[in-house]
Amino acid sequence: GDSVTQTEGQVALSEEDFLTIHCNYSASGYPALFWYVQYPGEGPQFLFRASRDKEKGSSRGFEATYNKETTSFHLQKASVQESDSAVYYCVHSGGSNYKLTFGKGTLLTVTP
Amino acid sequence: GALVYQYPRRTICKSGTSMRMECQAVGFQATSVAWYRQSPQKTFELIALSTVNSAIKYEQNFTQEKFPISHPNLSFSSMTVLNAYLEDRGLYLCGAREGGAEVFFGKGTRLTVV
Repeated sequence: GDSVTQTEGQVALSEEDFLTIHCNYSASGYPALFWYVQYPGEGPQFLFRASRDKEKGSSRGFEATYNKETTSFHLQKASVQESDSAVYYCVHSGGSNYKLTFGKGTLLTVTP
Repeated sequence: GALVYQYPRRTICKSGTSMRMECQAVGFQATSVAWYRQSPQKTFELIALSTVNSAIKYEQNFTQEKFPISHPNLSFSSMTVLNAYLEDRGLYLCGAREGGAEVFFGKGTRLTVV
């Protein structure tokens, strides 16, 4: 069945560190892939998307490239800030075109 | 920009009573609205999907009898939790989209059952 796997449950970094959160998906067809970010007490916020192989999505310094061969969509940021501390979700939109499948989320904590 | 407002943000209800939550889309036409529940463990469950001109589709383990949904126009949707019990607690999220675009979520309605 459709699924999204985020390898890291928690990531702790210092400001200006490089961030990678690994995401692999399993889906039939050609899903759209998304990253969402959720701050405490709020709903998930759309970060960016990619819809086809080799497409790069990016926003606010975060980026990820759709890789159909490795079924991955890893999130990266070159230099994190304390304000980036939040939970990050890798999501795909499967064949129904609306049913979003969420990963379990990765809690990013950035200390000054 | 596209925004989704949800209200109330928090609600407490007695076990066995019902509560209604609302969702307003601003800046775009919500042709599809999905209601999710986020558990205390942070996992997301899709409750139902409502698409204009189509019947509301409920996921397994969720029924119209328990979670009736209204989606009367392209900017508004509501959902009621009937006969709420402890296992219904969580953060209820409304996600709306226009056509095949990305889904925008509201800040959620946190339901506590006492």
